[in-house]
Amino acid sequence: DIQMTQSPSSLSASVGDRVTITCRASQGISNYLAWYQQKPGKVPELVIYAASTLQSGVPSRFSGSGSGTDFTLTISSLQPEDVATYYCQKYDSVPLTFGGGTKVEIK
Amino acid sequence: EVQLVQSGAEVKKPGESLKISCQGSRYSFTNYWIGWVRQVPGKGLEWMGIVWMGSSYPGGSDTRYSPSFQGQVTISGDKSISTVYLQWSSLKASDTAMYYCARAKYSTSSDDAFNIWGQGTMVTVSP
Repeated sequence: DIQMTQSPSSLSASVGDRVTITCRASQGISNYLAWYQQKPGKVPELVIYAASTLQSGVPSRFSGSGSGTDFTLTISSLQPEDVATYYCQKYDSVPLTFGGGTKVEIK
Repeated sequence: EVQLVQSGAEVKKPGESLKISCQGSRYSFTNYWIGWVRQVPGKGLEWMGIVWMGSSYPGGSDTRYSPSFQGQVTISGDKSISTVYLQWSSLKASDTAMYYCARAKYSTSSDDAFNIWGQGTMVTVSP
């Protein structure tokens, strides 16, 4: 099965900083990649699908890129409400594996 | 508003059986795959499996499991009440976790992101 590896596992940045999270697939998955945001104590929410398409209602400071095996989620200007753990998920074929998560905190 | 509503928290003993539920509303239930995701306290998300209640297969459902959960749980459903289930025949302490159901974004697609999530069901297994 394809493994999904996220880096870093955690990061701390200042409000207004540009933040980049990486997700790597052990085999190519085209653009079948989603990103989720899970705020502390809350249900996960879809942020990006098809590697780069913003889910309706998500602020435009979030963007995604990549194809094949390497993907990134970027927050262009970190806001306090972006404190959360972010997960990538492949969905080219079952099992639809999640990455290990990246915890984003404010410095 | 499209919704998935899950059954309430459960406290069980090791060896007991359990079935938790997830009911969809305000959409065509048989058009969408619904998956189950486990989250052990303090840990990440794990994809367990997915079911489609609109299948033409015998029994009317099509189910896919993660190899990690195959044989450990059973995913099923009842389309007459727009509900899917996750069940255990013999719980272990290691099954203690939050369990989420979630719906695929696009109709009839099993290989898809989840855009609608249930509120989660906490299962605690303790002697």
